[in-house]
Amino acid sequence: EAGVAQSPRYKIIEKRQSVAFWCNPISGHATLYWYQQILGQGPKLLIQFQNNGVVDDSQLPKDRFSAERLKGVDSTLKIQPAKLEDSAVYLCASSLILGTSGRGNEQFFGPGTRLTVL
Amino acid sequence: AQSVTQLDSQVPVFEEAPVELRCNYSSSVSVYLFWYVQYPNQGLQLLLKYLSGSTLVKGINGFEAEFNKSQTSFHLRKPSVHISDTAEYFCAVTPGNQFYFGTGTSLTVIP
Repeated sequence: EAGVAQSPRYKIIEKRQSVAFWCNPISGHATLYWYQQILGQGPKLLIQFQNNGVVDDSQLPKDRFSAERLKGVDSTLKIQPAKLEDSAVYLCASSLILGTSGRGNEQFFGPGTRLTVL
Repeated sequence: AQSVTQLDSQVPVFEEAPVELRCNYSSSVSVYLFWYVQYPNQGLQLLLKYLSGSTLVKGINGFEAEFNKSQTSFHLRKPSVHISDTAEYFCAVTPGNQFYFGTGTSLTVIP
């Protein structure tokens, strides 16, 4: 079974530039998550999709970050314009379902995209 | 609201020695508990999870964890560590939708 794919793996940009990250979840997984992991910290949820609808984007800095999941499969996360404090690893994860049982919502993570903003 | 506290940011341990990585959580509702491992330049990989049933959970690579509801803890243990266990370990809780991660414990196994 193929895992969660992310690209690019590394990206270096200057502040005020734009950047986009791509994620392809595990086939059949309805729920997709984007996390930001700053060095030395745990992952922080940015946005959560159920199919192609947004479930939770309360921690997404909407003035500069945007995300979409067209057709309920692949997803892109964009930052425009980037700031120095956006330097982090951006992790994409997917899970089978979103529910209250706990079963089936184990998250599978991609390798991440390491963003450096200069 | 949920929160996760990993009490030790760094844990050095000699090879073949036992190790315990501590995790405490707070929640007003029932939660499910997970431990993930992150090797350098890689994503998070599930080590083990507690959903229900036996409070002692066994995971991959010889790790196990015990859920203690009264102490709201989910400590991770391994009786004998290997060099390859050097990594970052994250405890996470979820009431069923959003995951809440701790800040991580860096385990370094010393030869």
